[in-house]
Amino acid sequence: GIQVEQSPPDLILQEGANSTLRCNFSDSVNNLQWFHQNPWGQLINLFYIPSGTKQNGRLSATTVATERYSLLYISSSQTTDSGVYFCAVYNTDKLIFGTGTRLQVFP
Amino acid sequence: DSGVTQTPKHLITATGQRVTLRCSPRSGDLSVYWYQQSLDQGLQFLIQYYNGEERAKGNILERFSAQQFPDLHSELNLSSLELGDSALYFCASSVGISLEQYFGPGTRLTVT
Repeated sequence: GIQVEQSPPDLILQEGANSTLRCNFSDSVNNLQWFHQNPWGQLINLFYIPSGTKQNGRLSATTVATERYSLLYISSSQTTDSGVYFCAVYNTDKLIFGTGTRLQVFP
Repeated sequence: DSGVTQTPKHLITATGQRVTLRCSPRSGDLSVYWYQQSLDQGLQFLIQYYNGEERAKGNILERFSAQQFPDLHSELNLSSLELGDSALYFCASSVGISLEQYFGPGTRLTVT
Protein backbone atom coordinates (compact mmCIF):
# COMPACT_ATOMS: atom_id res chain seq x y z
CA GLY A 1 0.00 0.00 0.00
CA ILE A 2 0.90 3.64 -0.18
CA GLN A 3 3.53 4.86 2.30
CA VAL A 4 3.53 8.32 3.85
CA GLU A 5 6.70 9.54 5.53
CA GLN A 6 7.09 12.74 7.50
CA SER A 7 10.22 14.53 8.59
CA PRO A 8 11.57 15.52 10.94
CA PRO A 9 9.90 13.30 13.57
CA ASP A 10 10.58 15.85 16.30
CA LEU A 11 11.20 19.58 16.23
CA ILE A 12 11.97 21.94 19.10
CA LEU A 13 11.79 25.66 18.44
CA GLN A 14 11.94 28.91 20.31
CA GLU A 15 9.02 31.28 19.86
CA GLY A 16 9.43 33.38 16.74
CA ALA A 17 11.39 30.81 14.75
CA ASN A 18 10.37 29.49 11.34
CA SER A 19 10.16 25.83 10.33
CA THR A 20 9.47 23.55 7.39
CA LEU A 21 7.83 20.15 7.74
CA ARG A 22 8.01 17.64 4.91
CA CYS A 23 5.67 14.86 3.76
CA ASN A 24 6.72 12.30 1.14
CA PHE A 25 4.35 9.77 -0.36
CA SER A 26 5.14 6.69 -2.38
CA ASP A 27 2.43 6.74 -5.04
CA SER A 28 0.03 9.02 -6.87
CA VAL A 29 -2.73 10.37 -4.65
CA ASN A 30 -6.09 11.99 -5.25
CA ASN A 31 -5.58 14.66 -2.64
CA LEU A 32 -3.74 15.60 0.53
CA GLN A 33 -4.58 17.19 3.87
CA TRP A 34 -2.47 18.68 6.67
CA PHE A 35 -3.71 18.50 10.27
CA HIS A 36 -2.59 19.82 13.63
CA GLN A 37 -3.31 17.59 16.61
CA ASN A 38 -3.29 19.83 19.66
CA PRO A 39 -2.22 18.65 23.13
CA TRP A 40 -5.88 17.84 23.91
CA GLY A 41 -5.99 15.37 21.03
CA GLN A 42 -8.19 17.36 18.69
CA LEU A 43 -7.41 17.09 14.95
CA ILE A 44 -7.65 20.49 13.31
CA ASN A 45 -7.77 20.94 9.55
CA LEU A 46 -4.97 23.13 8.26
CA PHE A 47 -4.95 22.62 4.50
CA TYR A 48 -6.66 20.57 1.83
CA ILE A 49 -4.12 20.83 -0.96
CA PRO A 50 -3.86 18.47 -3.96
CA SER A 51 -1.30 20.68 -5.68
CA GLY A 52 0.06 24.20 -5.65
CA THR A 53 0.45 26.55 -2.71
CA LYS A 54 -2.02 27.83 -0.13
CA GLN A 55 -1.55 30.29 2.71
CA ASN A 56 -3.47 30.85 5.92
CA GLY A 57 -1.96 33.47 8.20
CA ARG A 58 1.43 32.30 9.45
CA LEU A 59 1.02 28.89 7.84
CA SER A 60 1.41 27.92 4.23
CA ALA A 61 1.59 24.63 2.36
CA THR A 62 2.91 23.52 -1.00
CA THR A 63 2.20 20.21 -2.70
CA VAL A 64 4.16 19.01 -5.74
CA ALA A 65 2.09 16.00 -6.71
CA THR A 66 4.29 15.00 -9.66
CA GLU A 67 7.27 14.68 -7.29
CA ARG A 68 5.17 13.15 -4.49
CA TYR A 69 5.83 15.54 -1.66
CA SER A 70 4.22 18.33 0.33
CA LEU A 71 5.71 20.97 2.60
CA LEU A 72 4.16 22.84 5.52
CA TYR A 73 5.75 26.15 6.50
CA ILE A 74 5.22 27.68 9.92
CA SER A 75 6.51 31.21 10.35
CA SER A 76 6.98 33.19 13.57
CA SER A 77 6.03 30.14 15.64
CA GLN A 78 4.01 30.55 18.84
CA THR A 79 3.64 28.27 21.86
CA THR A 80 0.11 27.48 20.69
CA ASP A 81 1.62 25.85 17.57
CA SER A 82 2.87 22.99 19.75
CA GLY A 83 1.44 19.56 19.03
CA VAL A 84 1.72 16.96 16.30
CA TYR A 85 1.41 17.79 12.62
CA PHE A 86 0.09 15.08 10.33
CA CYS A 87 -0.13 14.91 6.60
CA ALA A 88 -2.63 12.46 5.17
CA VAL A 89 -3.10 11.41 1.57
CA TYR A 90 -6.21 10.19 -0.15
CA ASN A 91 -5.93 6.67 -1.51
CA THR A 92 -9.24 5.83 -3.21
CA ASP A 93 -11.72 6.85 -0.51
CA LYS A 94 -9.65 6.78 2.66
CA LEU A 95 -7.00 8.91 4.28
CA ILE A 96 -3.58 7.34 4.89
CA PHE A 97 -1.80 9.22 7.66
CA GLY A 98 1.89 9.79 8.09
CA THR A 99 3.56 9.21 11.46
CA GLY A 100 3.58 12.92 12.23
CA THR A 101 6.04 15.61 13.28
CA ARG A 102 5.96 16.49 16.98
CA LEU A 103 6.57 20.23 17.40
CA GLN A 104 7.39 21.88 20.71
CA VAL A 105 7.61 25.66 20.82
CA PHE A 106 9.18 27.23 23.93
CA PRO A 107 8.78 30.86 25.02
CA ASP B 1 -15.29 23.38 16.15
CA SER B 2 -15.47 21.14 13.08
CA GLY B 3 -19.22 20.54 13.31
CA VAL B 4 -18.72 16.79 13.80
CA THR B 5 -19.89 15.56 17.20
CA GLN B 6 -18.91 12.38 18.99
CA THR B 7 -20.20 10.83 22.19
CA PRO B 8 -19.09 9.89 24.71
CA LYS B 9 -15.82 11.81 25.14
CA HIS B 10 -14.37 9.21 27.46
CA LEU B 11 -15.23 5.58 28.08
CA ILE B 12 -13.69 3.21 30.60
CA THR B 13 -14.74 -0.42 30.45
CA ALA B 14 -13.48 -3.91 31.21
CA THR B 15 -12.12 -6.60 28.96
CA GLY B 16 -14.78 -8.71 27.29
CA GLN B 17 -17.36 -5.92 27.31
CA ARG B 18 -19.13 -4.24 24.38
CA VAL B 19 -19.41 -0.50 23.75
CA THR B 20 -21.04 1.77 21.18
CA LEU B 21 -19.52 5.01 19.97
CA ARG B 22 -21.72 7.56 18.28
CA CYS B 23 -20.98 10.16 15.63
CA SER B 24 -23.07 12.93 14.07
CA PRO B 25 -21.58 14.33 10.85
CA ARG B 26 -21.56 17.96 9.78
CA SER B 27 -24.85 19.15 8.37
CA GLY B 28 -25.01 18.18 4.70
CA ASP B 29 -22.17 15.66 4.80
CA LEU B 30 -23.05 12.25 3.40
CA SER B 31 -19.79 10.41 4.06
CA VAL B 32 -18.73 9.21 7.51
CA TYR B 33 -15.37 7.68 8.31
CA TRP B 34 -14.04 5.98 11.46
CA TYR B 35 -10.37 6.04 12.45
CA GLN B 36 -8.45 4.57 15.36
CA GLN B 37 -5.40 6.25 16.90
CA SER B 38 -3.25 4.09 19.14
CA LEU B 39 0.29 4.58 20.39
CA ASP B 40 1.73 1.66 18.46
CA GLN B 41 -0.32 1.82 15.22
CA GLY B 42 -0.75 5.54 14.71
CA LEU B 43 -3.88 6.85 12.97
CA GLN B 44 -5.57 4.11 10.97
CA PHE B 45 -8.66 4.07 8.80
CA LEU B 46 -11.32 1.60 9.93
CA ILE B 47 -14.42 1.98 7.77
CA GLN B 48 -16.39 4.41 5.60
CA TYR B 49 -20.10 4.87 4.96
CA TYR B 50 -21.67 6.96 2.24
CA ASN B 51 -25.36 7.82 2.47
CA GLY B 52 -26.13 4.74 4.53
CA GLU B 53 -24.07 2.24 2.58
CA GLU B 54 -20.70 0.77 3.52
CA ARG B 55 -18.20 1.96 0.94
CA ALA B 56 -14.70 1.07 2.11
CA LYS B 57 -13.09 -1.03 4.80
CA GLY B 58 -9.64 -0.71 6.31
CA ASN B 59 -7.98 -2.50 9.16
CA ILE B 60 -11.18 -3.14 11.07
CA LEU B 61 -11.31 -6.18 13.32
CA GLU B 62 -14.16 -8.68 13.00
CA ARG B 63 -15.13 -7.82 16.59
CA PHE B 64 -15.88 -4.28 15.40
CA SER B 65 -18.87 -3.25 13.31
CA ALA B 66 -20.45 0.00 12.24
CA GLN B 67 -23.53 1.37 10.56
CA GLN B 68 -24.88 4.64 9.24
CA PHE B 69 -28.52 5.41 9.92
CA PRO B 70 -31.08 7.21 7.68
CA ASP B 71 -30.47 10.48 9.54
CA LEU B 72 -26.76 9.98 8.61
CA HIS B 73 -25.43 9.58 12.13
CA SER B 74 -23.14 6.60 12.59
CA GLU B 75 -22.32 4.16 15.35
CA LEU B 76 -19.21 2.07 15.85
CA ASN B 77 -19.72 -1.07 17.92
CA LEU B 78 -16.75 -2.68 19.61
CA SER B 79 -17.27 -6.08 21.24
CA SER B 80 -15.22 -8.62 23.21
CA LEU B 81 -12.94 -5.78 24.12
CA GLU B 82 -9.25 -6.40 24.73
CA LEU B 83 -6.62 -4.26 26.41
CA GLY B 84 -5.15 -3.50 22.99
CA ASP B 85 -8.38 -1.84 21.88
CA SER B 86 -7.63 1.10 24.16
CA ALA B 87 -7.26 4.05 21.80
CA LEU B 88 -8.69 7.33 20.60
CA TYR B 89 -11.49 6.71 18.09
CA PHE B 90 -12.23 9.48 15.63
CA CYS B 91 -15.16 10.01 13.36
CA ALA B 92 -14.81 12.24 10.31
CA SER B 93 -17.25 13.42 7.70
CA SER B 94 -17.14 14.92 4.24
CA VAL B 95 -19.62 16.14 1.66
CA GLY B 96 -18.61 13.45 -0.78
CA ILE B 97 -15.98 10.93 -1.63
CA SER B 98 -12.30 11.97 -1.61
CA LEU B 99 -13.26 15.46 -0.48
CA GLU B 100 -11.97 17.30 2.57
CA GLN B 101 -12.63 15.39 5.78
CA TYR B 102 -13.48 17.09 9.07
CA PHE B 103 -12.78 15.27 12.33
CA GLY B 104 -14.77 15.10 15.52
CA PRO B 105 -13.17 15.51 18.95
CA GLY B 106 -12.77 11.74 19.38
CA THR B 107 -13.79 9.18 21.99
CA ARG B 108 -11.03 8.03 24.29
CA LEU B 109 -11.60 4.36 25.11
CA THR B 110 -9.76 2.74 27.99
CA VAL B 111 -10.11 -1.01 28.45
CA THR B 112 -9.00 -2.26 31.87
